[in-house]
Amino acid sequence: DAGVIQSPRHEVTEMGQEVTLRCKPISGHNSLFWYRQTMMRGLELLIYFNNNVPIDDSGMPEDRFSAKMPNASFSTLKIQPSEPRDSAVYFCASSLAGVNGYTFGSGTRLTVV
Amino acid sequence: AQRVTQPEKLLSVFKGAPVELKCNYSYSGSPELFWYVQYSRQRLQLLLRHISRESIKGFTADLNKGETSFHLKKPFAQEEDSAMYYCALSGGGADGLTFGKGTHLIIQP
Repeated sequence: DAGVIQSPRHEVTEMGQEVTLRCKPISGHNSLFWYRQTMMRGLELLIYFNNNVPIDDSGMPEDRFSAKMPNASFSTLKIQPSEPRDSAVYFCASSLAGVNGYTFGSGTRLTVV
Repeated sequence: AQRVTQPEKLLSVFKGAPVELKCNYSYSGSPELFWYVQYSRQRLQLLLRHISRESIKGFTADLNKGETSFHLKKPFAQEEDSAMYYCALSGGGADGLTFGKGTHLIIQP
């Protein structure tokens, strides 16, 4: 298994543009998590899905952020419109109901200018 | 509410010296505790979980429920241990992890 796959690895965009981050979890994992990592706030859980259903989105900072999981092998995190303060590394992670821990993707480094 | 506290943002020790990265947690039930490591600009990797009670790369961590701590220890630090270390807590099941702010460990030659 190639692990959790995120794309793109790097994204530079202008303020106001729509940004879409993608994640492919490990096959067979039934939980998927989106985290944001910044120097100031560390790692923050934004939203997580269980069996493709959003369970807790209380960490999503604003209505500009939305996430979907249309099937068990794909999820997106969208920011529309993007702002410079959204610049961060966004990690996706998946797990099998917490068994054996959580596997993280390589992250997407987002820069909004 | 669950919370993870890592009091040291930066810890610098010499190669061969013992290392202890502190982690304290707040949780009303029986949590699962983890240590994750992030080498420079790489993904987070699971280092330890308290349930498995294993030693990885010479690191160990013991869950102390009385002190609500899960400190990470290594008797002899190596230069390749330099990284960011995150303590994390899960309430179990399919819940997400709550992370501490991380400790940047620097091993000096």
